[in-house]
Amino acid sequence: AQTVTQSQPEMSVQEAETVTLSCTYDTSENNYYLFWYKQPPSRQMILVIRQEAYKQQNATENRFSVNFQKAAKSFSLKISDSQLGDTAMYFCAFIEGGAQKLVFGQGTRLTINP
Amino acid sequence: EADIYQTPRYLVIGTGKKITLECSQTMGHDKMYWYQQDPGMELHLIHYSYGVNSTEKGDLSSESTVSRIRTEHFPLTLESARPSHTSQYLCASSEWGSGNEQFFGPGTRLTVL
Repeated sequence: AQTVTQSQPEMSVQEAETVTLSCTYDTSENNYYLFWYKQPPSRQMILVIRQEAYKQQNATENRFSVNFQKAAKSFSLKISDSQLGDTAMYFCAFIEGGAQKLVFGQGTRLTINP
Repeated sequence: EADIYQTPRYLVIGTGKKITLECSQTMGHDKMYWYQQDPGMELHLIHYSYGVNSTEKGDLSSESTVSRIRTEHFPLTLESARPSHTSQYLCASSEWGSGNEQFFGPGTRLTVL
């Protein structure tokens, strides 16, 4: 069965610092997709970034970037110049190509301190 | 504006009541999902649908049922609520195809006394 592991239950950094959230996954497939979702306190979950496994180039979205290591099955999220609005639960998620169900990690609670 | 909506946002009810949690999306998505999430914890898929008249059970056993009579509407029903059903319920939708983003609703926080 596919699994997604986020080994950091909680993290806390100062505003403007850079922070990296870890995620590892397990699959025997070559075709799959990886996601980072953000769930702010009492607000809607939204997509932060998406990576297609067949693309070697790491995805970036403004201050958010990933370090995708396919051989190591690692998919970490880097947030640069962190802002107070980045405070949220962050979930790593995975889906195999052709599958219908996302598999979520346990989440990392990130707090950005002023 | 295309979006996904859930009502009610908060619900407190007594044990044994029948409840229906509503979910609607205006994006024309074929796929819809229901997740259960305890506060600050991971999401567990309880039901999903590929389209009209399609419903499947997810990974987490649930006493709830769903229906998909219209593309935009995917309600979840609990025939007899119990305190163990206290949780947050998130609805999501996505386009047909592989690896597409799931769009989430704001959630319904259910408390059963």
